Amino acid sequence: DVKVTQSSRYLVKRTGEKVFLECVQDMDHENMFWYRQDPGLGLRLIYFSYDVKMKEKGDIPEGYSVSREKKERFSLILESASTNQTSMYLCASSLGVGTGELFFGEGSRLTVL
Amino acid sequence: KNQVEQSPQSLIILEGKNCTLQCNYTVSPFSNLRWYKQDTGRGPVSLTIMTFSENTKSNGRYTATLDADTKQSSLHITASQLSDSASYICVVSQNAGNMLTFGGGTRLMVKP
Repeated sequence: DVKVTQSSRYLVKRTGEKVFLECVQDMDHENMFWYRQDPGLGLRLIYFSYDVKMKEKGDIPEGYSVSREKKERFSLILESASTNQTSMYLCASSLGVGTGELFFGEGSRLTVL
Repeated sequence: KNQVEQSPQSLIILEGKNCTLQCNYTVSPFSNLRWYKQDTGRGPVSLTIMTFSENTKSNGRYTATLDADTKQSSLHITASQLSDSASYICVVSQNAGNMLTFGGGTRLMVKP
């Protein structure tokens, strides 16, 4: 069974703190994605990666960075968390180009106080 | 601008009843359309994929349709169950799946 694992289901951080969200997939997928999901706004793409050490900006990259040192791991970093980054963060992976199916993790709900 | 619009935003039905969710898109060029189910507090899971040449596809009690001419898709749920309570998200791919456009989702609640 395919699996995408996000390290933390729930986090509470303070404004200005650095936040790491980790995502690991066991399917040998090339592509990995980070989305945030907010009520009324749907899923919005933050960053994605098509290969190790490669990253591309999505629709809302401001305030975020990513790291992909190994194929199976894709990390999302909030250098200085702000209250408007309170959200549900979803990691996903997909196999190759053109298949389209995303396999999602369970999500990480981040609250920034 | 590529857009995917879903309706209704939310829906409440009684257990055992049928319902239909709508997805209209302006994405071009079209590659495929997927319906995802997202249970509360979980990540979305793919239900079905529709390609340009497919009109109808079933997955158990879920039946998806696609009209590529009018750029509309629907997801029909037959004999609803409490476990169907979830958000249903329509996602359209373009350029051989490189670019994805997400709909805002329909939140379905099935009541006993």
